[in-house]
Amino acid sequence: EAGVTQSPTHLIKTRGQQATLRCSPISGHTSVYWYQQALGLGLQFLLWYDEGEERNRGNFPPRFSGRQFPNYSSELNVNALELEDSALYLCASSLRQTSNTEAFFGQGTRLTVV
Amino acid sequence: AQTVTQSQPEMSVQEAETVTLSCTYDTSESDYYLFWYKQPPSRQMILVIRQEAYKQQNATENRFSVNFQKAAKSFSLKISDSQLGDAAMYFCAYGPYGGATNKLIFGTGTLLAVQP
Repeated sequence: EAGVTQSPTHLIKTRGQQATLRCSPISGHTSVYWYQQALGLGLQFLLWYDEGEERNRGNFPPRFSGRQFPNYSSELNVNALELEDSALYLCASSLRQTSNTEAFFGQGTRLTVV
Repeated sequence: AQTVTQSQPEMSVQEAETVTLSCTYDTSESDYYLFWYKQPPSRQMILVIRQEAYKQQNATENRFSVNFQKAAKSFSLKISDSQLGDAAMYFCAYGPYGGATNKLIFGTGTLLAVQP
């Protein structure tokens, strides 16, 4: 069974541009979570999607947004990129009813803003 | 708000020895989950062990065990018979019970080196 897959693996953008990161959850999982892992800061919760709806949002500005598609895959969009957005972005998925007790992570997208 | 603190940025252990990684947390909730995740250079977060706060018995997974002290809000990870493959960043995390927010709160991590 395929795990959580994220694309692209690496992404280099210029300050002010937009970045789009993609995540495909494990088959059967309806919940997708996005986390930002900046150097030295651990993982910070960004967004939670379930059944196509945004269910919860972390303390990030509105230029961080996303969506979940009918097949439960998800996109994270970051507009007006800033240098401090450079980080590893991790996606995780789970069944809604098991929530964070059974979240499986992808290998992340390394976003570099120059 | 819940917080998770890992006070050891780096640790080192000799192969086959035992090492303990520390974690403290703060919450006003009585029911919750605690986790230890491992992140090797491949970057993928791997669940090592999980503890339900309502269970008094400490969780164990093969060479990995925890010392859960609910009153002290402490959740340490013990790795026995350390192996070279254990070298990784280890994150302690808190998860709310009931799934209302479904977010995990992570500590800043401990980088574990295993010396041959």
